Amino acid sequence: NAGVTQTPKFQVLKTGQSMTLQCAQDMNHNSMYWYRQDPGMGLRLIYYSASEGTTDKGEVPNGYNVSRLNKREFSLRLESAAPSQTSVYFCASKQIVAGVGEQFFGPGTRLTVL
Amino acid sequence: AQKITQTQPGMFVQEKEAVTLDCTYDTSDPSYGLFWYKQPSSGEMIFLIYQGSYDQQNATEGRYSLNFQKARKSANLVISASQLGDSAMYFCAMDSNYQLIWGAGTKLIIKP
Repeated sequence: NAGVTQTPKFQVLKTGQSMTLQCAQDMNHNSMYWYRQDPGMGLRLIYYSASEGTTDKGEVPNGYNVSRLNKREFSLRLESAAPSQTSVYFCASKQIVAGVGEQFFGPGTRLTVL
Repeated sequence: AQKITQTQPGMFVQEKEAVTLDCTYDTSDPSYGLFWYKQPSSGEMIFLIYQGSYDQQNATEGRYSLNFQKARKSANLVISASQLGDSAMYFCAMDSNYQLIWGAGTKLIIKP
């Protein structure tokens, strides 16, 4: 099992450009998440999908859109990138085992917006 | 509002000593879960330990244990016999419905 995979690993954009961050999980998890992590800070939730076909805003959704393409894939789109969106983006999926909602994380995408 | 507070931005600890990383939380939900994750300099997030709000005993996983004091709303991580490889950022998080609420993290540096 690959777990949670993200592409690309690194990306540099110019202000105003658009791009989509891809995330896939092969663990058959229902819930998936997108976070951003700014330097020296914890994670902040951008959007999440509790199950296939549903998406909900998290703490910092402005400037982003998401698509839960199927149970495996959850993409994050920046329509018009801004320097404030320079960050490391983590995708995660959630498994519930005996009541424990452990989240499994992808390796992250380091995005720089110039 | 639900919140996680980690009051130690950074800590230095001598190798082989035990270390306690503080975490306090605020929630009105009767049912919740508390997690600790480790983030080494390579950037990945590694799950360490979990404590459920109804668990009667403190969670343990190898050298990691969670000192859960429900009345004080604290969930401190204890690492016994610290190793150089324990140097990393450590995040406390609380499971709320479908979301994890994260603390700001503590940077732990183990000195040889």
